[in-house]
Amino acid sequence: EDQVTQSPEALRLQEGESSSLNCSYTVSGLRGLFWYRQDPGKGPEFLFTLYSAGEEKEKERLKATLTKKESFLHITAPKPEDSATYLCAVQGRGSQGNLIFGKGTKLSVKP
Amino acid sequence: DSGVTQTPKHLITATGQRVTLRCSPRSGDLSVYWYQQSLDQGLQFLIQYYNGEERAKGNILERFSAQQFPDLHSELNLSSLELGDSALYFCASSVAMVGGSQETQYFGPGTRLLVL
Repeated sequence: EDQVTQSPEALRLQEGESSSLNCSYTVSGLRGLFWYRQDPGKGPEFLFTLYSAGEEKEKERLKATLTKKESFLHITAPKPEDSATYLCAVQGRGSQGNLIFGKGTKLSVKP
Repeated sequence: DSGVTQTPKHLITATGQRVTLRCSPRSGDLSVYWYQQSLDQGLQFLIQYYNGEERAKGNILERFSAQQFPDLHSELNLSSLELGDSALYFCASSVAMVGGSQETQYFGPGTRLLVL
């Protein structure tokens, strides 16, 4: 059964304090790993798709990396507006395209 | 703005009632997915439609059903509602090229359902 585990559940950072969020997954043939950002009461906002181990993608202060068992979302010099819940999801070869989501990491960045 | 629209934004109803949630996918997207998000379960896949046909089912209750119309909008019908059905319901859409290549799903703003 495809599964996604995210850690930590919650993370508090000071503005400018870099850190990483972890997403561990088990899937029968990875088609894609997705990172989303979700603000309270809003829909998930797409950030990145990673397809194969070794791949990296960057967007502003965020960088996503992928290995065969996990993905990291690195946040460099975060700002208060980066506060949100970050969701990781996988799409397996056995699926018709639906995503299996982790429970997310709630990030708070204090000024 | 993802380009996916959902109505209504909020819905308050009583146990035993039936409601319909509506979703319009992004222009050009043929595939629509429905997800339920509750505080304890996170985002759970319910059902997927591609160009009007059901493609996959997840943890969808028998009391729930969905369809996708010729104009590609989709409706999720929830009946005999229970207190535990209170949640955020999201629709997502993707291009979903024939052959199932990797595809990115873009989510709508969601419908918050409260069953009293």
